[in-house]
Amino acid sequence: QKEVEQDPGPLSVPEGAIVSLNCTYSNSAFQYFMWYRQYSRKGPELLMYTYSSGNKEDGRFTAQVDKSSKYISLFIRDSQPSDSATYLCAMTPGAGSYQLTFGKGTKLSVIP
Amino acid sequence: GAVVSQHPSRVICKSGTSVKIECRSLDFQATTMFWYRQFPKQSLMLMATSNEGSKATYEQGVEKDKFLINHASLTLSTLTVTSAHPEDSSFYICSARDRVKETQYFGPGTRLLVL
Repeated sequence: QKEVEQDPGPLSVPEGAIVSLNCTYSNSAFQYFMWYRQYSRKGPELLMYTYSSGNKEDGRFTAQVDKSSKYISLFIRDSQPSDSATYLCAMTPGAGSYQLTFGKGTKLSVIP
Repeated sequence: GAVVSQHPSRVICKSGTSVKIECRSLDFQATTMFWYRQFPKQSLMLMATSNEGSKATYEQGVEKDKFLINHASLTLSTLTVTSAHPEDSSFYICSARDRVKETQYFGPGTRLLVL
């Protein structure tokens, strides 16, 4: 079993839809959770950052972490064509162990 | 968010030559930087961890003599691909660690093509 599982998609949604992206993980030591957005031929851009369990909202984006289920989600409301990209989840234990473990990424297309 | 730059953004070189890629954290000091490699439609593969003032730590299977890493200051790390071959053609991305948030900010990447 891989440490972080993420459905690679592709996922296509109409403009304005709510998008749900998810990752599951197996390492209970992970404490810091991130979502990155990567456009084609560009470096990943940090979208959301969460420490431990709970929800975090930033504009149209909401990140959720459920450590009891080892499950994290990213919701995108009112999706736009400019949201079309690959979304990578990442996580780390922190506390001296700071390398990130990434999911494979989900390719999202928002159709106008 | 924090800004990390990479230079060059794209490089084409002949087989056997060496290529240097620079990674700079522009608005914060990064004691730790990371170098990744990404093949098309695949996720990021960590190559090495670069610590300011000390030797880099390489991941298993990454040749340290081929991929030379130098982290001479708190804002600059360099990756030199020595004696490049066509199989080294890839997208190389650096990141800088934010110690407060325990996260990483990525550079825009360098596309290397070895002919």
